[in-house]
Amino acid sequence: GAVVSQHPSWVICKSGTSVKIECRSLDFQATTMFWYRQFPKQSLMLMATSNEGSKATYEQGVEKDKFLINHASLTLSTLTVTSAHPEDSSFYICSGRSSYEQYFGPGTRLTVT
Amino acid sequence: AQSVTQPDIHITVSEGASLELRCNYSYGATPYLFWYVQSPGQGLQLLLKYFSGDTLVQGIKGFEAEFKRSQSSFNLRKPSVHWSDAAEYFCAVGSFGNEKLTFGTGTRLTIIP
Repeated sequence: GAVVSQHPSWVICKSGTSVKIECRSLDFQATTMFWYRQFPKQSLMLMATSNEGSKATYEQGVEKDKFLINHASLTLSTLTVTSAHPEDSSFYICSGRSSYEQYFGPGTRLTVT
Repeated sequence: AQSVTQPDIHITVSEGASLELRCNYSYGATPYLFWYVQSPGQGLQLLLKYFSGDTLVQGIKGFEAEFKRSQSSFNLRKPSVHWSDAAEYFCAVGSFGNEKLTFGTGTRLTIIP
């Protein structure tokens, strides 16, 4: 149980375009989901906390207008990278919270050319 | 603020040898402690967790960890490693009422024949 999926698993987009990443909790309801960013050979950096039906809470230094997060249901949160640039290329991981634990998705590799 | 230190960036052990990965945390309240494993290009898998009770916790894949409050440590151990254990290992700390996890910088484990 407690499976989280992400779609797509990898995406390549051109600079200036927007890309949406979906995070779904498949077998549990996640009132809270988290979005992380991971650079190569580095740890996970929390970008934002997403609560169903309310605005996301962004960590300091994360541009909320660039990284749009929507948590429309108890099983789906989306991250939209707007006007992507090469420096946005990274590995994005989401997690869903259930009973003090976080269950992580497999990640999405974003490459901006 | 909570923090996690994993002092070993990279560890190499021989297959069949024992393993200990170090984790030290800093947190004012009673911590919730986690160890996650990440294979290349993948999300995070929970190995084990400590919330309360017995300070020696057993996890999946033959791993265990011991919570030592006096040393602010939560070291991960395995008596005999397998080649499939090669991965990146992350220690994380959270707490009751604080949904966020703080991750250490990770320890990369290499297994040699």
